[in-house]
Amino acid sequence: SQELEQSPQSLIVQEGKNLTINCTSSKTLYGLYWYKQKYGEGLIFLMMLQKGGEEKSHEKITAKLDEKKQQSSLHITASQPSHAGIYLCGAVHGSGNTGKLIFGQGTTLQVKP
Amino acid sequence: DAMVIQNPRYQVTQFGKPVTLSCSQTLNHNVMYWYQQKSSQAPKLLFHYYDKDFNNEADTPDNFQSRRPNTSFCFLDIRSPGLGDAAMYLCATSRGQMVETQYFGPGTRLLVL
Repeated sequence: SQELEQSPQSLIVQEGKNLTINCTSSKTLYGLYWYKQKYGEGLIFLMMLQKGGEEKSHEKITAKLDEKKQQSSLHITASQPSHAGIYLCGAVHGSGNTGKLIFGQGTTLQVKP
Repeated sequence: DAMVIQNPRYQVTQFGKPVTLSCSQTLNHNVMYWYQQKSSQAPKLLFHYYDKDFNNEADTPDNFQSRRPNTSFCFLDIRSPGLGDAAMYLCATSRGQMVETQYFGPGTRLLVL
């Protein structure tokens, strides 16, 4: 089984609708990152969460790390076509970690105008 | 703007012909990473440099090597590319090794004929 599971794998929403992507870890998270990737391009950093209960927002995107630090959610409010892409969560699983990121499989988001 | 640059963006090579991908950064970060991302899969760490210290992942094939001649540049050498090595290769940097944000370049897509 995957160390980091994302759900759903893909999502199609109508423009203006809200959506949530989940990332669940089988281990305690010492750092949880959200990235966005357009097809055939690099990863764009969105947010990093470290503390249980932490919540961060950037424009219309909000990410939370649950208290037990094993799950994170990414919420997009009033989605726009520019939000389309692949959303990846990445996790650091050890306090003494060398910075190795384990990634989830990604969630592909399509936003219909 | 400070950034992570990868050249070329697309690379075509022949089966068994050595190929080198390059990455440069203007962030003055200590750590540089190379990830391999196959189609519809999560990025997978191959190795990383903390300053001049090289750290190889246990499951990285011997066919893959890396060089970091100075802080700004890092190279990925594939000695004898096979068809299974066709992928997107992503370079990333971070300030330190612990729970630090990794910033990614646009990637180099490698095609092996």
